[in-house]
Amino acid sequence: AQTVTQSQPEMSVQEAETVTLSCTYDTSENNYYLFWYKQPPSRQMILVIRQEAYKQQNATENRFSVNFQKAAKSFSLKISDSQLGDTAMYFCAFDPGNTPLVFGKGTRLSVIA
Amino acid sequence: NAGVTQTPKFQVLKTGQSMTLQCAQDMNHEYMSWYRQDPGMGLRLIHYSVGAGITDQGEVPNGYNVSRSTTEDFPLRLLSAAPSQTSVYFCASRPSGAGYEQYFGPGTRLTVT
Repeated sequence: AQTVTQSQPEMSVQEAETVTLSCTYDTSENNYYLFWYKQPPSRQMILVIRQEAYKQQNATENRFSVNFQKAAKSFSLKISDSQLGDTAMYFCAFDPGNTPLVFGKGTRLSVIA
Repeated sequence: NAGVTQTPKFQVLKTGQSMTLQCAQDMNHEYMSWYRQDPGMGLRLIHYSVGAGITDQGEVPNGYNVSRSTTEDFPLRLLSAAPSQTSVYFCASRPSGAGYEQYFGPGTRLTVT
């Protein structure tokens, strides 16, 4: 069974600074997808970024980028120029394609003014 | 599109009572899932469905039943509520296949006293 580990339960960052959230996963699959979801205090789950395992290039969405290391099974999220609105729980998720997403336990990020 | 809708948003039950959490999606998605979210535990899969008439257990299925008679609806039934089922419940849907975004409902906060 696949597992997803987020080793940082809580993090904080100053506004305008950069922060990196860690995620590792375990799988024997070769083709899969990885996601980062954000859950602000409103509780709504929002897709932040998606990475395809067979693509070497790291995904980027505006201030959000990933560092995908397939051999190391690592998928970290970098948030640049942090904003107060980035304060949220962040979940890493693994998608093998034919079964539901597997989520990590989340990292609570606080952006401090 | 309303996306994924869940009712009710909040519910208080007494131990031993039963109830059904409703979930509906209007995106014609094949996959639907129920998760529970508890502090420090992330999102844990309860039950899921890959299409009408097909359901399967997730990580924490005990005490819950599901059915999928239509593509749109995926209700979650609590058979005899217990305090351990106090949680926030999320319904989600996505198209079949790998790499598609999973859409979440707004969640139901359930308290069992």
